[in-house]
Amino acid sequence: QSALTQPASVSGSPGQSITISCTGTSSDVGGYDYVSWYQQHPGKAPKLMVYDVSIRPSGVSNRFSGSKSGATASLTISGLQAEDEADYYCGSYTSRSTVVFGGGTKLTVL
Amino acid sequence: EVQLVESGGGLVQPGRSLRLSCAATGFTFGDYAMHWVRQAPGKGLEWVSGINWNSGNINYADSVRGRFTISRDNAKNSLYLQMNSLKAEDSAFYYCSRDVGTIARNLEKWGQGTLVTVSS
Repeated sequence: QSALTQPASVSGSPGQSITISCTGTSSDVGGYDYVSWYQQHPGKAPKLMVYDVSIRPSGVSNRFSGSKSGATASLTISGLQAEDEADYYCGSYTSRSTVVFGGGTKLTVL
Repeated sequence: EVQLVESGGGLVQPGRSLRLSCAATGFTFGDYAMHWVRQAPGKGLEWVSGINWNSGNINYADSVRGRFTISRDNAKNSLYLQMNSLKAEDSAFYYCSRDVGTIARNLEKWGQGTLVTVSS
């Protein structure tokens, strides 16, 4: 199972919006509405930010939103804040009943 | 409060075995699917294995299938990962994770991880 494709890095200034893409295939992202996004700060465990494409777990800021079109999912962070600087990973359920992650995107807040 | 505490990591020689455990508290363990995920230092996340709420559906990444075995004991609120024939490339932090629901699809809660180092 190949990893999902994410940009290695994105950046934005405080207050701006950024979008991170996650591209898969019809066997994962394109075939199921089970895409999730995770935030990971250095030395910390990942944190679920969005699941089932667009659902935010309790306690996650509404500045984080998810969407999907075909085999590409996206995470948008609006009103960028310094604390959003972290690594972000997408994940998807697959046709083999496994989960596959993207390679990760480093978000830099300028 | 949901807590997941992994244990059992350490230094092991190539070809040997190791068993990881994950103790769960703060929720009804038997109501949720569970996962193991690993992350080599400085690298990305790699899903290792998932098990649904009643152990009726178990799946593995290709990289560990046939060598690793996931299991759970709902009476003991515990998740396990038996790792056999370990290789250097299995070295990583291993995280236990609770799913959003009963089927292993989304990883909601995470432990702090336990480090496995495979080296002679």
